[in-house]
Amino acid sequence: AQKVTQAQTEISVVEKEDVTLDCVYETRDTTYYLFWYKQPPSGELVFLIRRNSFDEQNEISGRYSWNFQKSTSSFNFTITASQVVDSAVYFCALRVGSGYSTLTFGKGTMLLVSP
Amino acid sequence: DTAVSQTPKYLVTQMGNDKSIKCEQNLGHDTMYWYKQDSKKFLKIMFSYNNKELIINETVPNRFSPKSPDKAHLNLHINSLELGDSAVYFCASSQIPRAQYFGPGTRLTVL
Repeated sequence: AQKVTQAQTEISVVEKEDVTLDCVYETRDTTYYLFWYKQPPSGELVFLIRRNSFDEQNEISGRYSWNFQKSTSSFNFTITASQVVDSAVYFCALRVGSGYSTLTFGKGTMLLVSP
Repeated sequence: DTAVSQTPKYLVTQMGNDKSIKCEQNLGHDTMYWYKQDSKKFLKIMFSYNNKELIINETVPNRFSPKSPDKAHLNLHINSLELGDSAVYFCASSQIPRAQYFGPGTRLTVL
């Protein structure tokens, strides 16, 4: 069975600080996909990134960056120069295999960015 | 253009009632899902449909019955509502193995 652990329940930072959200996953499948979603206070779930198990290349998108390390089964998310609008719950999720399967979500990390 | 839409956004009802939530996606995806998010924000899959066919049913009480009239729609009907059914229900769609895109959620409150 697969599992996603987000050990940080809540993180509070001051604007412009950098912050890293941790995600550790467990699966025995060699083919899998990792995702990050953002849930702002308004409640919707916004897709941020997808990574497959064969692509360990790190990704940067503006102030967001993701570090995928198979050796430690981690897929961490860093926000550089955080802003108040980054305040949200962030979910890491895992989907295994290339056929029909669903997302297994972590419990989420609530990020509070204060001015 | 709304990609995944759900109606209603809020639903308040009494215990024992029957209610439905509708979901539509205009992304051309062939797979749709229902998730439940509890009060602690935990997200759990309930059902998954591929081309109108049920492919995943995750130990959900049979008071919950999904229906997919076509691959763009996946509705959720709940019979005999209980207090524990209060949650936010999210519909999602995807073209496997790509990302799932979620609707805005339906907040169900059972009194």
